[in-house]
Amino acid sequence: RKEVEQDPGPFNVPEGATVAFNCTYSNSASQSFFWYRQDCRKEPKLLMSVYSSGNEDGRFTAQLNRASQYISLLIRDSKLSDSATYLCVVPLMFSGGYNKLIFGAGTRLAVHP
Amino acid sequence: GAVVSQHPSRVICKSGTSVKIECRSLDFQATTMFWYRQFPKKSLMLMATSNEGSKATYEQGVEKDKFLINHASLTLSTLTVTSAHPEDSSFYICSATAGGEQFFGPGTRLTVL
Repeated sequence: RKEVEQDPGPFNVPEGATVAFNCTYSNSASQSFFWYRQDCRKEPKLLMSVYSSGNEDGRFTAQLNRASQYISLLIRDSKLSDSATYLCVVPLMFSGGYNKLIFGAGTRLAVHP
Repeated sequence: GAVVSQHPSRVICKSGTSVKIECRSLDFQATTMFWYRQFPKKSLMLMATSNEGSKATYEQGVEKDKFLINHASLTLSTLTVTSAHPEDSSFYICSATAGGEQFFGPGTRLTVL
């Protein structure tokens, strides 16, 4: 099983739609999770952190199910500017005190008028 | 948030040449930096962890003699792709941790002819 697996996409949705992405992880010891957004030919940027059961920030909601080792990202009222690749990221803590980030392959979202 | 820069942003070179990529933390010190590689339509793959004042830690399958990493100061890590070949063409991204969050540089697009 891959360390982080995501829906392959692409998701093509009209403006205003609600869309959800799924992500599963293999390391049951992982405590925190991230969703990053990456635009074409750009670096990833942090969208949301998830430490407990979930997190909400405006139109974006992330949910965590530890029992199923599953994370989701819900985007409501999609905007054209939401078109990007969404990366599910699971950090692995090392003894040196830093996190090594494991990236999912990403889910591509295309919002059309 | 913290700012990480990379230089150059884009480089085209002939097969067999070496290319150096710089990663700088502009407004903070980073004892640890990370180097990633991303092939088209693929996710970021961690290549190595760069530690200031000590040897880098390479991920499995990454040749340390081909991808030389030097982290000589708390604000600068360099990645040198030695004897580059067309299959090394990729998007190379560095990151550094500040306040528990990883900040990514804008990436360097390497094209080897």
